[in-house]
Amino acid sequence: EIVLTQSPATLSVSPGDRVTLSCRASQSVSRYLAWYQQKPGQAPRLLIYDTSYRATDIPARFSASGSETDFSLTISRLDPEDFAVYYCQQRSDWPLTFGGGTKVET
Amino acid sequence: QVQLLGSGGGVVQPGRSLRLSCAASGFTFRTFGMHWVRQAPGKGLEWVGTISYDGRDKRYADSVRGRFTISRDNSNDTLYLNMSGLRPEDTALYYCAKDRHPLQKPATLIDFWGQGTLVTVSP
Repeated sequence: EIVLTQSPATLSVSPGDRVTLSCRASQSVSRYLAWYQQKPGQAPRLLIYDTSYRATDIPARFSASGSETDFSLTISRLDPEDFAVYYCQQRSDWPLTFGGGTKVET
Repeated sequence: QVQLLGSGGGVVQPGRSLRLSCAASGFTFRTFGMHWVRQAPGKGLEWVGTISYDGRDKRYADSVRGRFTISRDNSNDTLYLNMSGLRPEDTALYYCAKDRHPLQKPATLIDFWGQGTLVTVSP
């Protein structure tokens, strides 16, 4: 099973900040890495798939990069609505696995 | 717009069975793979299983294989999760979700998520 480790677990930031979240895989996932955002009481929402492709209606302030085992998600200027938990997920191999999440809080 | 409405959750005793349903609308259900993902209270996301658009390819997490079965009714746009031998550690919010790309085998890109249905396994 591919283990995804996200860091940091919690990130304390302010609106307008530039934020970078990390996701490291225990083995190569090629480019098959996605990012999801989950706000309290809501279902997760796909932000980024296959390393760097923004999903439908995702603002341009969200970008992502990486390859093989090291990936990152960047929010260029944090909007108040971006406070949430962010999960990475790999689809390179079964079972599909998620990272433990990074909580972005104020 | 895409909608996924889960139902069938509730409180059940250990060892018993439960069936979750997920009614889909707003897209051509029969052409998309579907997924179940769960989230224990206050915890992260755990993939449960995936079924291909035609129902012929099914994948399961080790934690549920042999106890849970995914199926679909493409004539009624409904996804199912049959759960048996339930354990307290199966307590979670169960999300059904659609794959991003139509007619993909295997389906692996979880795109749109429903709101989830809560399953509580307790004596």
